[in-house]
Amino acid sequence: AQTVTQSQPEMSVQEAETVTLSCTYDTSESDYYLFWYKQPPSRQMILVIRQEAYKQQNATENRFSVNFQKAAKSFSLKISDSQLGDAAMYFCAYRSPTGSSNTGKLIFGQGTTLQVKP
Amino acid sequence: EADIYQTPRYLVIGTGKKITLECSQTMGHDKMYWYQQDPGMELHLIHYSYGVNSTEKGDLSSESTVSRIRTEHFPLTLESARPSHTSQYLCASSESGQESTDTQYFGPGTRLTVL
Repeated sequence: AQTVTQSQPEMSVQEAETVTLSCTYDTSESDYYLFWYKQPPSRQMILVIRQEAYKQQNATENRFSVNFQKAAKSFSLKISDSQLGDAAMYFCAYRSPTGSSNTGKLIFGQGTTLQVKP
Repeated sequence: EADIYQTPRYLVIGTGKKITLECSQTMGHDKMYWYQQDPGMELHLIHYSYGVNSTEKGDLSSESTVSRIRTEHFPLTLESARPSHTSQYLCASSESGQESTDTQYFGPGTRLTVL
């Protein structure tokens, strides 16, 4: 069974600085998908970034980028130029490829609460 | 922002009551999901559906039931609510087909408190 681990329950960053959130996972599958979701307090969970395991290039979305290390099964999220609106709980998630017995289902990590200090 | 809606957003109810949490999406997605999330904790899949008349139990055992009579609608029902059901329930949907589009979009959630 696949597992996702976020070892940092809480992180803090100064506004305008850079922070990296860690995520590791365990799987025997070779083709899969990884996601970072953001859940602001009392607000809707939204997708931050997505990475396909077969792509070697790290995904980027504006100030958000990932460091995907397939061999190490590591998938960290880097937030550059942090803003107050980035404060939220961040979840790392794993999805098996279509056609597997776990088609479409997301497996979430425990989450990391990010505090942004003005 | 995804077009997926949940009602009610907050519900406080007494033990033994029957409740239905509504989830609707207007994106025509064929896949829909229900997750349970305790405060500050990870999400656990409790039900999913890959299309009309198709429902499966998720990884976390739940006393709730679901139905999928229409593509856009995926309600969750608790026949007899108990305090142990107190949690946040998140609905999500995704579109199968091309791998790059099978991304789950979440509703705002229903925060349920059973007294």
